[in-house]
Amino acid sequence: QSALTQPASVSGSPGQSITISCTGTSSDVGSYNLVSWYQQHPGKAPKLMIYEGSKRPSGVSNRFSGSKSGNTASLTISGLQAEDEGDYYCCSYAGSSSFWVFGGGTKLTVL
Amino acid sequence: QVQLVQSGAEVKKPGSSVKVSCKASGGTFSSYTINWVRQAPGQGLEWMGRIIPMLGIANYAQRIQGRVTITADKSTSTAHMELSRLRSEDTAMYYCAREHEEFDAFDIWGQGTMVTVSS
Repeated sequence: QSALTQPASVSGSPGQSITISCTGTSSDVGSYNLVSWYQQHPGKAPKLMIYEGSKRPSGVSNRFSGSKSGNTASLTISGLQAEDEGDYYCCSYAGSSSFWVFGGGTKLTVL
Repeated sequence: QVQLVQSGAEVKKPGSSVKVSCKASGGTFSSYTINWVRQAPGQGLEWMGRIIPMLGIANYAQRIQGRVTITADKSTSTAHMELSRLRSEDTAMYYCAREHEEFDAFDIWGQGTMVTVSS
C-alpha cells in the first residue's frame, strides 16, 4: 500500500486561508469516507483535527474543515494563526487487508 | 478521560528485538482498538498494526509483517508491540494510538517511545 500524496509544504500569512490536499486511489480515499487529519508540533504526538472526512472532534477550532472529491481529500484552515504552524498528515482507511495508510505529511509555515 | 502511557526509550543492537508497552487508564480497554504508528527521524507517520483487545485479534502492515507482534493484556490494560530482527532503519519514535469506539480515527495518542538501533 503506497502512502497518500501530500504537498511537502504550504505557507500563508496570518488571517489567510490555506488548503492541503491528500491524493490517494480508488482503494483508499476514493472508496471510504474515513479520511482523518492530524496536526503535529515538533517533539509532540499527533493530534486529531478532522475525522470521517469533514467532522471535527470536540475542542478543535471551526477554522479547520475537511472535504473530499473523488480520490482527493482536502484540509482547509481559515484565519491562519501562528499556532497552526506545524506538520499535517492525512490518513485513510484502505480496506481490511491494509487497514490504514498515511500521507507523507505537509509542513505548514505561517509567515 | 482515556490516557495512554508508553514505556521508556530503548537502545538496541541490530538483529535484536524490542518490546514497547502502552498502558491505558480510564475508559474500557477491551472496547477499543489500539494501533501502533512509527515515525523515523524527520520522516512521516507509518501505520504498523493494530489489535482489538476484546478479541485478541491483531492485524499488521504488509511491509513489516513477520517482524512485528502486537498483543494486549486485558488484566493490566496494556498493549505491547514487539519488533524483531531490528535494523538501523527501525530507529524511530513509536506511538500507540486509540481508535475511537464510535468513529474510525486515532483520537488519543501515547507520548511516544524512542527506539534507537545502533551497533
